[in-house]
Amino acid sequence: NAGVMQNPRHLVRRRGQEARLRCSPMKGHSHVYWYRQLPEEGLKFMVYLQKENIIDESGMPKERFSAEFPKEGPSILRIQQVVRGDSAAYFCASSPTAENEKLFFGSGTQLSVL
Amino acid sequence: GDSVTQMEGPVTLSEEAFLTINCTYTATGYPSLFWYVQYPGEGLQLLLKATKADDKGSNKGFEATYRKETTSFHLEKGSVQVSDSAVYFCALRSNYQLIWGAGTKLIIKP
Repeated sequence: NAGVMQNPRHLVRRRGQEARLRCSPMKGHSHVYWYRQLPEEGLKFMVYLQKENIIDESGMPKERFSAEFPKEGPSILRIQQVVRGDSAAYFCASSPTAENEKLFFGSGTQLSVL
Repeated sequence: GDSVTQMEGPVTLSEEAFLTINCTYTATGYPSLFWYVQYPGEGLQLLLKATKADDKGSNKGFEATYRKETTSFHLEKGSVQVSDSAVYFCALRSNYQLIWGAGTKLIIKP
């Protein structure tokens, strides 16, 4: 049973480009969470999704950021017109139920904006 | 709002030393408490958890006790190894969200 798969592991973008981060949850998991980790800081919640629904996006910037979790395929975190401040590690986690007592994390995507 | 405060790192210890990483929290009600570990280049893994006051979570020689009176969940290990070098995150569960501490980097020298 494969774990949570994130790709790419490293993503380099120039300012103004778009970044697309992918997350395939564990098999049977329909709840996905995205977190951002800035250097020397903890994890910051961004968004919580179930299949085809955004449940809570209170941690996500109102502009340039969006997330989806379609019926088929991985969850996507999309950042438009990236800026240097978007450089961070982005982690995805999944759980089988809404009671997220145990989250399974991917290895993260390190986004570097030049 | 709910929050978690962790001891600042890095914490540097020699192999076989005793480890304590402090974690305190503020929350309404009685949240579940967690320690996660992040090894270099990897995602986070659940290390241990406690769901009610006086519960003790333990795993891989690590322990933490849920102390309601001091709102603390300190992580301890009696004898650390080089392989324990990682970043450790304390977290609490508030509704369906996990509230995270900033993480404490642990460096164990042989």
